[in-house]
Amino acid sequence: QLQLKESGPGLVKPWETLSLTCTVSGGSLSSQIYYWGWVRQPPGKGLEWIGSIFYRGTTSYNPSLKSRVTVSVDTSKRQFSLRLTSVTDADTAVYYCAREPNYFDNSGRLVMFDEWGQGILVTVSS
Amino acid sequence: EIVLTQARGTLSLSPGERATLSCRASQSVKSHYLAWYQQKPGQAPKLLIYGASTRATGIPDRFSGSGSGTDFILTISRLEPEDFAVYYCQQYGSSPYTFGQGTKLEIK
Repeated sequence: QLQLKESGPGLVKPWETLSLTCTVSGGSLSSQIYYWGWVRQPPGKGLEWIGSIFYRGTTSYNPSLKSRVTVSVDTSKRQFSLRLTSVTDADTAVYYCAREPNYFDNSGRLVMFDEWGQGILVTVSS
Repeated sequence: EIVLTQARGTLSLSPGERATLSCRASQSVKSHYLAWYQQKPGQAPKLLIYGASTRATGIPDRFSGSGSGTDFILTISRLEPEDFAVYYCQQYGSSPYTFGQGTKLEIK
């Protein structure tokens, strides 16, 4: 059974870089039929798509975060990672990694999430 | 960016009742690319419905989805105690892929 597990620091100082890793077990990160993504949820608020990656390294990002976000993959470690630079308290959230079926139509990718990690709370504070 | 509005912040119903949750998009959602998720406290969201009306694997048939264009509905035909949670809609056809703000379904 597929399991996704986020790991990384739970506290990051303002203007520093948030770095998280998602480890995939019980399934293949190198599958052609999935992308892998990050979604966040500020405390008491709704969900926001951050970005996605294919095992070959193809990425897509939310335009609102694109200048600060990098998603990368290391198939040998069965991991993909999130890097968010210059964080502020607005970046305080539970960060989820998730699996995305590799759906697309003639306009491009279709990004929905069919399996999720448990989430990790990251607080931005000095 | 497509903004999704879930009109009722909180819906109070009793077990056994029918729940109807709405999701309205600021512009037409391409080709029924609308999903619904359920989130319980302290848990990750769980995919319920995609393609506006297709149940995800293992989802009971008391959950159904409908709608097209800008107006979508999630119906729970007869509420079970485990159905009380927050429900989010998400459009997945146009980047950025956006979520509604959620509707909390609480026990009356």
